[in-house]
Amino acid sequence: SAVISQKPSRDICQRGTSLTIQCQVDSQVTMMFWYRQQPGQSLTLIATANQGSEATYESGFVIDKFPISRPNLTFSTLTVSNMSPEDSSIYLCSVESTSIQYFGAGTRLSVL
Amino acid sequence: GQQLNQSPQSMFIQEGEDVSMNCTSSSIFNTWLWYKQDPGEGPVLLIALYKAGELTSNGRLTAQFGITRKDSFLNISASIPSDVGIYFCAGQLSFGNEKLTFGTGTRLTIIP
Repeated sequence: SAVISQKPSRDICQRGTSLTIQCQVDSQVTMMFWYRQQPGQSLTLIATANQGSEATYESGFVIDKFPISRPNLTFSTLTVSNMSPEDSSIYLCSVESTSIQYFGAGTRLSVL
Repeated sequence: GQQLNQSPQSMFIQEGEDVSMNCTSSSIFNTWLWYKQDPGEGPVLLIALYKAGELTSNGRLTAQFGITRKDSFLNISASIPSDVGIYFCAGQLSFGNEKLTFGTGTRLTIIP
């Protein structure tokens, strides 16, 4: 299994600002994923982050809005840029370990 | 993005009752997974299914991988209060190192 820590656990932000979410895992993993869960909804994949290469974004998500860093095999960040109230969601980091995907507790973001 | 159709959307049951929920897709998946999400937490894996027709149990939980590879179901027997939460199915095109496509979720509530 993998233990995932996400920071911050929650934040309230002003429109137009940016927030960077950190994801730390307790073991080296090849693939890390970032998901968004809008209020009362299911999870939607934003992007896949591999160490040493650019993140791969899903349809509807762009790098300018959600830049991702993956500096090593245990850490990744997701930035939500130029936020609007529509960005209010839970953002979840996930890692693949022994072919199973494990999730962090998420970052609850509210944009005013 | 694509989502799997999960039913029912919500269930209200009494403690001790059995629960059944299912998940269907228009596309074939080669791995089916069932996760549970408690309030304020990320999804936790309950059962993973890797082969069409496979029936797998984990305690009071039983899940099956549909023979067409386009559906799966989850049964919970003799429900207890800690079963409350949101259950998500997820499909994966290949085993390991692949993004997950999530179902719409089933919210389980136990009536005292």
